[in-house]
Amino acid sequence: DQQVKQNSPSLSVQEGRISILNCDYTNSMFDYFLWYKKYPAEGPTFLISISSIKDKNEDGRFTVFLNKSAKHLSLHIVPSQPGDSAVYFCAASGTSYGKLTFGQGTILTVHP
Amino acid sequence: NAGVTQTPKFRVLKTGQSMTLLCAQDMNHEYMYWYRQDPGMGLRLIHYSVGEGTTAKGEVPDGYNVSRLKKQNFLLGLESAAPSQTSVYFCASSYSNGLSYEQYFGPGTRLTVT
Repeated sequence: DQQVKQNSPSLSVQEGRISILNCDYTNSMFDYFLWYKKYPAEGPTFLISISSIKDKNEDGRFTVFLNKSAKHLSLHIVPSQPGDSAVYFCAASGTSYGKLTFGQGTILTVHP
Repeated sequence: NAGVTQTPKFRVLKTGQSMTLLCAQDMNHEYMYWYRQDPGMGLRLIHYSVGEGTTAKGEVPDGYNVSRLKKQNFLLGLESAAPSQTSVYFCASSYSNGLSYEQYFGPGTRLTVT
């Protein structure tokens, strides 16, 4: 039972355009959501997060949107850069001890 | 600050062999976690610890044991390795203040069981 799903295994965009990565969840107890970025042969690194009391959070080129009624969140990257090419994981928390439930990941490729 | 480090980076085991993966963090974090990453499956929680001397099961604990004898170290053991345990293993740590859910990850250990 996959509680956090990223239905697009991959996404390809042109440099300078917008990248939109999507994530759906089923557990209504989740109240905090995070996006991680992962390069090959490295560990995931934290990118941006959002609490369930908000519907939007921005950090530079990265914006995360949360639609609680649809149990859906998205990550927007504007403008996309070749260095953004990586695997992006969404994660959710709502249980004790900060445990995270991760999606399967989306491979983003930004072409020059 | 080294952050989260993992030892070793790579390992090849034969079925039935045992090994221990070591995770160390220098951020004084209370919480530590072990994940495995498999293609198309994301990261799945194996075991976690909320403090020195405590451990708990995660989503996929079978075939693994853990110990947290010191706050800065979290060990993951495989007593009798199986090919199904071929994976990339990540350790992570986080604060316990309830204000931040961000976890800090190590670089990973790539394990192959033949």
